Amino acid sequence: GAGVSQSPRYKVAKRGQDVALRCDPISGHVSLFWYQQALGQGPEFLTYFQNEAQLDKSGLPSDRFFAERPEGSVSTLKIQRTQQEDSAVYLCASSSGVGTQYFGPGTRLTVL
Amino acid sequence: AQSVAQPEDQVNVAEGNPLTVKCTYSVSGNPYLFWYVQYPNRGLQFLLKYITGDNLVKGSYGFEAEFNKSQTSFHLKKPSALVSDSALYFCAVRAGEGSNYQLIWGAGTKLIIKP
Repeated sequence: GAGVSQSPRYKVAKRGQDVALRCDPISGHVSLFWYQQALGQGPEFLTYFQNEAQLDKSGLPSDRFFAERPEGSVSTLKIQRTQQEDSAVYLCASSSGVGTQYFGPGTRLTVL
Repeated sequence: AQSVAQPEDQVNVAEGNPLTVKCTYSVSGNPYLFWYVQYPNRGLQFLLKYITGDNLVKGSYGFEAEFNKSQTSFHLKKPSALVSDSALYFCAVRAGEGSNYQLIWGAGTKLIIKP
């Protein structure tokens, strides 16, 4: 079956631009997570949705980061006024409740 | 606070030899433990998990992991390494029922299998 998909796979932005990263979770998965992975490091939690409800956004690094999942399926992570320190791979994962998290291929964001 | 430690940045093993990738954790309550593998330019792939039950957990691609509560460890093992096992391996932990569901990750261990 189809796994988690993310788009775009690669994004280059100029400093100050806004970007939007999309995640399509596995069909029927109620839980959706966003992580940020810097080069050579493990993922860092950003935010968590259960259906359309954002239950935890404690990992979002600043108010420039915003995530939504309006219909409880597709999610979008938006970064406003991008900075160079935002350069990273952004990973999306979904799970059925408390089960195993399955990851998408990630979006590599480079801010120039 | 929850944490995961992978003490080795890199592990080198000859093809055909057994391999071990180490992981220790700190979490309040019963842990849920996971191993994932990451190939270049690809997402994280689930290998195996421990929730409860037998301390030896078997997963994908011939990998297994042993949960040791007294040593708070969850080392990844494989009896005979393949060159294709070369990748970046991550250990992750989540506290049990009633917790936030986020995973806490180790820094990763690069596994290099030499022919």
